[in-house]
Amino acid sequence: RKEVEQDPGPFNVPEGATVAFNCTYSNSASQSFFWYRQDCRKEPKLLMSVYSSGNEDGRFTAQLNRASQYISLLIRDSKLSDSATYLCVVNGSPSGGYNKLIFGAGTRLAVHP
Amino acid sequence: DGGITQSPKYLFRKEGQNVTLSCEQNLNHDAMYWYRQDPGQGLRLIYYSQIVNDFQKGDIAEGYSVSREKKESFPLTVTSAQKNPTAFYLCASSIVGGGQNTEAFFGQGTRLTVV
Repeated sequence: RKEVEQDPGPFNVPEGATVAFNCTYSNSASQSFFWYRQDCRKEPKLLMSVYSSGNEDGRFTAQLNRASQYISLLIRDSKLSDSATYLCVVNGSPSGGYNKLIFGAGTRLAVHP
Repeated sequence: DGGITQSPKYLFRKEGQNVTLSCEQNLNHDAMYWYRQDPGQGLRLIYYSQIVNDFQKGDIAEGYSVSREKKESFPLTVTSAQKNPTAFYLCASSIVGGGQNTEAFFGQGTRLTVV
């Protein structure tokens, strides 16, 4: 089993749609979680951290379910500029140490007019 | 401005040659990472380091080597033992810890092509 698994995608949605991405992780000792955005042929950039209580940043909402080892990202009112690959990232190692940042394979989102 | 710098942006290597990719950061981060990304794929961890003079193998370390002699620098050598080195290489850094502020900051990447 991969350490971090994401929906394979791609997601093709019209402008204004709501889209949700899911991610599961295998290491129950993982301490912190993030969503990154990567544009074509560019480096990944932090979209948002994922807090235990859930958090929102404008049109973006992230949630964490530690019991199910599950992270989600919800994008409301999709814009053309949201088209990108979204990467789920988990910080933790099987030995319980910190700072082994593991990336999911990413889910590609294409928003069309 | 603080940041993380990778060089060169594009690199061509002949088969059988070793090549070293540079990564420098002035963010005062203790942790640094190297990832490899193939077209249409996610990031795979090659090596990571949490402190000077210490580093750990990631999931795909074979054919690669690193050093961490200075906090600011984490160069990656792609050796001739790496059978399929053509890829996009990304270096990142972060603070050490388990909190929510341990996100990674990335350099702009190096595209390595074997010719």
